[in-house]
Amino acid sequence: EIVLTQSPATLSLSPGERATLSCWASQDIGSYLAWFQQKPGQAPRLLVYDASNRATGIPARFSGSGSGTDFTLTISSLEPEDFAVYYCQQRRDWPLTFGPGTKVDIK
Amino acid sequence: QVQLVESGGGVVQPGRSLRLSCAASGFTFKSYGMHWVRQVPGKGLEWVAVISHDGTRKFYGDSVKGRFSISRDNSKNTLYLQMNSLRVEDTAMYFCAKDLREEAYGMAVWGQGTTVTVSS
Repeated sequence: EIVLTQSPATLSLSPGERATLSCWASQDIGSYLAWFQQKPGQAPRLLVYDASNRATGIPARFSGSGSGTDFTLTISSLEPEDFAVYYCQQRRDWPLTFGPGTKVDIK
Repeated sequence: QVQLVESGGGVVQPGRSLRLSCAASGFTFKSYGMHWVRQVPGKGLEWVAVISHDGTRKFYGDSVKGRFSISRDNSKNTLYLQMNSLRVEDTAMYFCAKDLREEAYGMAVWGQGTTVTVSS
């Protein structure tokens, strides 16, 4: 099974600041990585698929990069609604797996 | 708009069975892969299973393989998850999700979930 590791576990930032979230895979997954946002009491929302493709309706302040084993989700300027938990997920191999998540909270 | 509504959750004893349903609307159901993903309250996401658009390909997470079965009825726009030999550790919120394409390219749209509690 491909294991995904996310760092940091918690990121404390202020609105307007830049957020950089990392995800590492235990083996080469090419570009087969997605990022999800989840707010309390809500279902997850797809932000980015295949490492760098923004999903429909996702604001341009969200961007994904990386390939192989190292990936990054960047939020260029945090809006109040961006404080949430973010998960990465790989589709390179079965079973599909998620990372443990990074919580972005208000400083 | 795309809508997914899960149902069938509830409280069940260990070792018993339960079938979840996911009613889909707002898109051509038969053209898209569909997933089940679960989440223990306060914990992370765990992928459970996926089924291809035509139902011919199915894949499962290791923790449910051999106990859970995913299926779909494209004439009814409905996805199912048959859960047998339930364990306490299967207690979670279960979400269905529509894929970006015909199999497993990305979980693009999610339902709001249905809660399964396995307890004696």
